Amino acid sequence: DVKVTQSSRYLVKRTGEKVFLECVQDMDHENMFWYRQDPGLGLRLIYFSYDVKMKEKGDIPEGYSVSREKKERFSLILESASTNQTSMYLCASSPTQFSEAFFGQGTRLTVV
Amino acid sequence: GEDVEQSLFLSVREGDSSVINCTYTDSSSTYLYWYKQEPGAGLQLLTYIFSNMDMKQDQRLTVLLNKKDKHLSLRIADTQTGDSAIYFCAESIGGYQKVTFGTGTKLQVIP
Repeated sequence: DVKVTQSSRYLVKRTGEKVFLECVQDMDHENMFWYRQDPGLGLRLIYFSYDVKMKEKGDIPEGYSVSREKKERFSLILESASTNQTSMYLCASSPTQFSEAFFGQGTRLTVV
Repeated sequence: GEDVEQSLFLSVREGDSSVINCTYTDSSSTYLYWYKQEPGAGLQLLTYIFSNMDMKQDQRLTVLLNKKDKHLSLRIADTQTGDSAIYFCAESIGGYQKVTFGTGTKLQVIP
């Protein structure tokens, strides 16, 4: 079974803190994604990566950056957390461009 | 534009059929997906349909695609309490990097 693991289920951070959300997949997938999920807005793509050290902006990259130093790991970084970044963050991976994505269980981040 | 719209909530009785609807605006979409999200979990792919198909059936699930109206639906036959979840439709245009998700429909199954 494909497994996508996010390092934390729940996080509470203070405004202005630097926050790292980690995601690891164990199936050698090329593509990895970070989404945020908000009620009434569905999933919105923040960043994706199609190879090690490669990244592309999604629909809402402002306030975020990413890192993919190894194929299995994709990190989302909030340089200076703000309250409007309180949300559910979902990581996903997929083996090819057109195949289904496999999602992690999500990290619920609260910025106070 | 790429907007995928769904109603936010649907309530059905156990044993009835559920129909979850989705409209999209981009006629060049290639794949359309249905994902299920159970409470406290990530999304899991239920089924998908190619844009050149009209219908796909998989056990209790039936997907109907009306390209003329840009309308996608998911029918769940004999709905069970375990089907209670949020259902997302999604469309991709030219590859998975360009997937747009709908707002999600919360399905509540009443025993």
